[in-house]
Parts: sequence; structure tokens; C-alpha cells
Amino acid sequence: NAGVTQTPKFRILKIGQSMTLQCTQDMNHNYMYWYRQDPGMGLKLIYYSVGAGITDKGEVPNGYNVSRSTTEDFPLRLELAAPSQTSVYFCASSYDPSPGYGYTFGSGTRLTVV
Amino acid sequence: QKEVEQNSGPLSVPEGAIASLNCTYSDRGSQSFFWYRQYSGKSPELIMSIYSNGDKEDGRFTAQLNKASQYVSLLIRDSQPSDSATYLCAVRGGGGNKLTFGTGTQLKVEL
Repeated sequence: NAGVTQTPKFRILKIGQSMTLQCTQDMNHNYMYWYRQDPGMGLKLIYYSVGAGITDKGEVPNGYNVSRSTTEDFPLRLELAAPSQTSVYFCASSYDPSPGYGYTFGSGTRLTVV
Repeated sequence: QKEVEQNSGPLSVPEGAIASLNCTYSDRGSQSFFWYRQYSGKSPELIMSIYSNGDKEDGRFTAQLNKASQYVSLLIRDSQPSDSATYLCAVRGGGGNKLTFGTGTQLKVEL
């Protein structure tokens, strides 16, 4: 059981380039999330999905896009990369919104924009 | 803006002591509360969840919740050097099962 898998683990982008961060989970979780974490800061929600075909903005969505065509996959697209998008990106999933159900996190993608 | 506040630390405790980590939150409608541990360069991992007022114990960890005071805490008994990490408090409320995270408290357990 792989859990939540993120690829790539590291990436360096030049300003203005685009890329897609991949996230796949094999736990049949309906809820999926993208967070970013800047040094010394907590996690900020970028986008989330409550099921296939349904996505919504989080706290910091500007500069990003997502899609959710299947239950398993939730890719995050960066268009026109900017230095402000240098961060560690975590994908997470959750089975149920009931009290006590937390998130399972992927191992993260460390992105540097130069 | 829903806020979750934590003292950034570092909180230093000697090995074998009790470490006490605190968190306050602003949204009175928050439903459940989580503590995550994050080692440097790693992803957060869930330690405890709590949603009823009072204490919840799991091994060396005890989570405490006081909804009237909007306060959550995590106690770590018999602290070990391996407990040295950043502890993130997270609060769930509103639609979409979203968690709002604090900035974390760095814990250092010294020999």
C-alpha cells in the first residue's frame, strides 16, 4: 500500500516555465489537498477536492491550477513560475470528514524557481 | 480569517521530562483538532486527534481540548531525543474537510 505518492521530489524551474506536480493515492480517499510550506511557516492550502470532478480554491490559489478526473489523481499545475512559488509542496488525502480522521501526506516536492 | 496560533519555540526540555505544547484557535465552529509531528525535511505525520472536551491519551502522548477557551494542547511524557521535531496544530471547520495549520512549535529534547 503506497499511500500518497508525489513526483518529482525535487525540481528547479526557471522564471516563466510551467510544470505539473503529480499526486496519486491508492487508498480510495475522496478528499485530496495541495498545501505549500514556506520556511518557518505552517502549511497553506492551495486547492482541494472533495471528489472526482470537484475542485475548489484554498487560501493561496493564485498562480496554480488543479484538476481531478479520477479519485486517485490530483495534479497541481504551475503556470508561468515565479520566485514566490519557491516552496515545499505537499499533497494530502483523507477518507472521511468525520471527527478524528486526519490527513495522510505525501513526501513532498521541493520546488525552486530561479 | 480562521487562525491557529502556536508559539514557534524552540521549546527545550531535558530527556525524560514532560513537554507541553499549546495551540489556540479563533473559529468557535471548529469541530476537530489534530497534532502532527514533522521532522526536518520530512512530511507531517499524524500523532493525535481530539474532538471532545477533555483529555485523550495514546501512549506517551496526551491531547487536551478546551472548546470554551479555544485551546488545544499536547503533552509528551518521558520525552526522548527522537521526539525532537516541529509539532503542528491543525483545526478542522467549515466545508470540504479542510484543515487550517498553525506555524508549528519546534521541540528540542536535550540529553
